[in-house]
Amino acid sequence: EDQVTQSPEALRLQEGESSSLNCSYTVSGLRGLFWYRQDPGKGPEFLFTLYSAGEEKEKERLKATLTKKESFLHITAPKPEDSATYLCAVPAYTGANSKLTFGKGITLSVRP
Amino acid sequence: DAGVTQSPTHLIKTRGQQVTLRCSPKSGHDTVSWYQQALGQGPQFIFQYYEEEERQRGNFPDRFSGHQFPNYSSELNVNALLLGDSALYLCASSLDFSYEQYFGPGTRLTVT
Repeated sequence: EDQVTQSPEALRLQEGESSSLNCSYTVSGLRGLFWYRQDPGKGPEFLFTLYSAGEEKEKERLKATLTKKESFLHITAPKPEDSATYLCAVPAYTGANSKLTFGKGITLSVRP
Repeated sequence: DAGVTQSPTHLIKTRGQQVTLRCSPKSGHDTVSWYQQALGQGPQFIFQYYEEEERQRGNFPDRFSGHQFPNYSSELNVNALLLGDSALYLCASSLDFSYEQYFGPGTRLTVT
């Protein structure tokens, strides 16, 4: 069965202190990986889709990368508004509209 | 462009009661998936609807049932509520041929 593990569980950064969030996965075949941002009590907001090892995507202070076994979400010079829970997910099987298997998420707090 | 909407926002029910949650997909999307998210956990897949049929189902008991209407909106019904059903219920919509799922704001269900 597919497994998604995120680390660390929580991360506290000072404003401007860059860091990386890790998502490791065990799947029978890589079908893509998704990153979401979730604010407290809200639904996950779609950030990135990565489909192949070596692929990178950027959005403002965030950069997502993908290898054959893990993905990283790099946060450069974070601001307090970047504080949220970051979730990664993989499709459970080949075929459009596969259910998503999520990790538990990483709660990021950025202090001013 | 209207995103995924869910109603109600919050709900408080008593053990043994029944509840119905509602979801309208993002404009143009035809597939709806439901997820349950317990506090501190990632979303867990409940089931998915396409063309008014349940297409996939996760490891949830038959107390959880759903429906999709001709306009693609969907309902999630939970019978004989248990304390453990307290969670954030998320609806996600997508296009039939796409892996990418977009989430609504969720319904917070509290069972007392």
